[in-house]
Amino acid sequence: GQSLEQPSEVTAVEGAIVQINCTYQTSGFYGLSWYQQHDGGAPTFLSYNGLDGLEETGRFSSFLSRSDSYGYLLLQELQMKDSASYFCARTGGSYIPTFGRGTSLIVHP
Amino acid sequence: DTAVSQTPKYLVTQMGNDKSIKCEQNLGHDTMYWYKQDSKKFLKIMFSYNNKELIINETVPNRFSPKSPDKAHLNLHINSLELGDSAVYFCASSQGGGQPQHFGDGTRLSIL
Repeated sequence: GQSLEQPSEVTAVEGAIVQINCTYQTSGFYGLSWYQQHDGGAPTFLSYNGLDGLEETGRFSSFLSRSDSYGYLLLQELQMKDSASYFCARTGGSYIPTFGRGTSLIVHP
Repeated sequence: DTAVSQTPKYLVTQMGNDKSIKCEQNLGHDTMYWYKQDSKKFLKIMFSYNNKELIINETVPNRFSPKSPDKAHLNLHINSLELGDSAVYFCASSQGGGQPQHFGDGTRLSIL
């Protein structure tokens, strides 16, 4: 199969750090991407991991462990504007992109 | 200078009608996609084209027909619209499969 599992909702307060996990099935795995989508908006690309390890882009970091079929998105110094849905997406064999069902992040003041 | 633009933004129509959604990208990308996002926000790929050739055709009713006149355009035609087709349809493009995708703003389709 090609499913990805991520929590449906995460809540945190402004200024905190939050981690959104994503596990995936391994058949035909190439890399893991993360997208952000605000309500009523379009998904926007945040990060990609093709190799094991951490990728850092400003306040956002993403991690991948192929041996554990697991990755996460780390958001630091949370701001109210970070309230959105976050999707992990797997690029598999034949490059069929498969998205997780999304994690709704709610940031409280 | 919008990177991926799709029209219309909203589409309200009756069951049984035929409608089209247009998509254009000015990023010079080789690959374009159509996704359907349902009310629970599940993003599911429908089609993908690479240089005008169909490379992904997921389980989609044959009422949905993509057309790519050139690599910068990928249009979606839907025949005999049904209630279950109500969703947001996103067009996206990337420089090759597996690369970061750039999404259009979506077309909100409502079937009455």
